[in-house]
Amino acid sequence: QVLLVQSGAEVKKPGALVKVSCKASGYSFTNYYMHWVRQAPGQGLEWMGMINPSGGSTRNAQKFQGRVTMTRDTSTSTVYMELSSLRSEDTAVYYCARRGRSTSWYYFDYWGQGTMVTVSS
Amino acid sequence: DIQMTQSPSSLSASVGDRVTITCRASQSISTYLNWYQQKPGKAPNLLIYAASSLQRGVPSRFTGSGSGTDFTLTISNLQPEDFATYFCQQTYSTPPETFGQGTKVEIK
Repeated sequence: QVLLVQSGAEVKKPGALVKVSCKASGYSFTNYYMHWVRQAPGQGLEWMGMINPSGGSTRNAQKFQGRVTMTRDTSTSTVYMELSSLRSEDTAVYYCARRGRSTSWYYFDYWGQGTMVTVSS
Repeated sequence: DIQMTQSPSSLSASVGDRVTITCRASQSISTYLNWYQQKPGKAPNLLIYAASSLQRGVPSRFTGSGSGTDFTLTISNLQPEDFATYFCQQTYSTPPETFGQGTKVEIK
């Protein structure tokens, strides 16, 4: 079965960098784009960006330009999301989500369990 | 960016009720609209894609409808496990893949 397993919770100081991993299994890793979505405590879902695991190309939300880097390792079927210059407002649960597709429609059909990132001095 | 607005933000309902949640897009998105359910401490779960297509394994009491700018998610015969927060998402004009702010369905 399809599984996305994320790395564990992180506590970081303001200005630091965090790197979250998402290991995929149960499907062909390079055939599906992977997205990152975050959710601040008690808030809604915020799309951060995506990576094409096949070629490694990425697109990020304008809000995170210059601060977020998404990479992948095809040998381990793992994608990574690195967020730099952390501030308190980055405290959130970070999710990876696989982009499934049906003809011209797409959706996030599998999600990781989430990684809590806390930014605090 | 396309803005997605859900209403209501929260509602109270009883087991067995019929519940309707609305999602409005700031411009036409055809049927490029998905619905997710999220329970506390869990990742979102896909319910409906392409506005009205039921994801495999999702109970048939969940139905989606709409096109253009106005969409609805209806839960018929509300069950105890349906108390959760629901989000809509547009995938017509991306990036970004924008979400609605969520609708929390609580027990009356």
